[in-house]
Amino acid sequence: KAGVTQTPRYLIKTRGQQVTLSCSPISGHRSVSWYQQTPGQGLQFLFEYFSETQRNKGNFPGRFSGRQFSNSRSEMNVSTLELGDSALYLCASSLARAGGNEQFFGPGTRLTVL
Amino acid sequence: TQLLEQSPQFLSIQEGENLTVYCNSSSVFSSLQWYRQEPGEGPVLLVTVVTGGEVKKLKRLTFQFGDARKDSSLHITAAQPGDTGLYLCAGYHNNNDMRFGAGTRLTVKP
Repeated sequence: KAGVTQTPRYLIKTRGQQVTLSCSPISGHRSVSWYQQTPGQGLQFLFEYFSETQRNKGNFPGRFSGRQFSNSRSEMNVSTLELGDSALYLCASSLARAGGNEQFFGPGTRLTVL
Repeated sequence: TQLLEQSPQFLSIQEGENLTVYCNSSSVFSSLQWYRQEPGEGPVLLVTVVTGGEVKKLKRLTFQFGDARKDSSLHITAAQPGDTGLYLCAGYHNNNDMRFGAGTRLTVKP
């Protein structure tokens, strides 16, 4: 069974631009969660989608948004990029809701904002 | 302030030594998970502990969940270079809100 895939793996953008990251969960998994990982703040929860609905949201500004499609694939969008948005963005999928279930992480997309 | 505090932040030891890393919080968690993350990869789940006082063993790794379900520890016996990585604890706060600690970066030298 294929694991969680994320595209692209690396991305370089400039301040003010917007970016879209993609995540394909493990087949059969309906929950997709997104995290931001930085050396200073560690892993921080962005949001979780389950059956195309956002079920949980972390403490991030509205510039961070996402969506989930009927095939459970998810995209994350960041608008008006800031230098501080440089990070490793990880998505994780699980069978049901993320709460209490094992999450499987993708390799991440490393975003650099110049 | 992190909801989950991990210590130490960095640990560098020789192959064959034992070590313990800690994950502490003032909040109660319904469950705690430990992950290991290697460079260029996402975290990989090692174990989930659910019951206060629970001890789980995974080969040379021993995980313990505190009686009050506020803290956890990971003990590695006879560490090997392959154990090198970032060890993260994570807990479900209010059931659906998953929080991670900042991690302990372990280096095991041959």
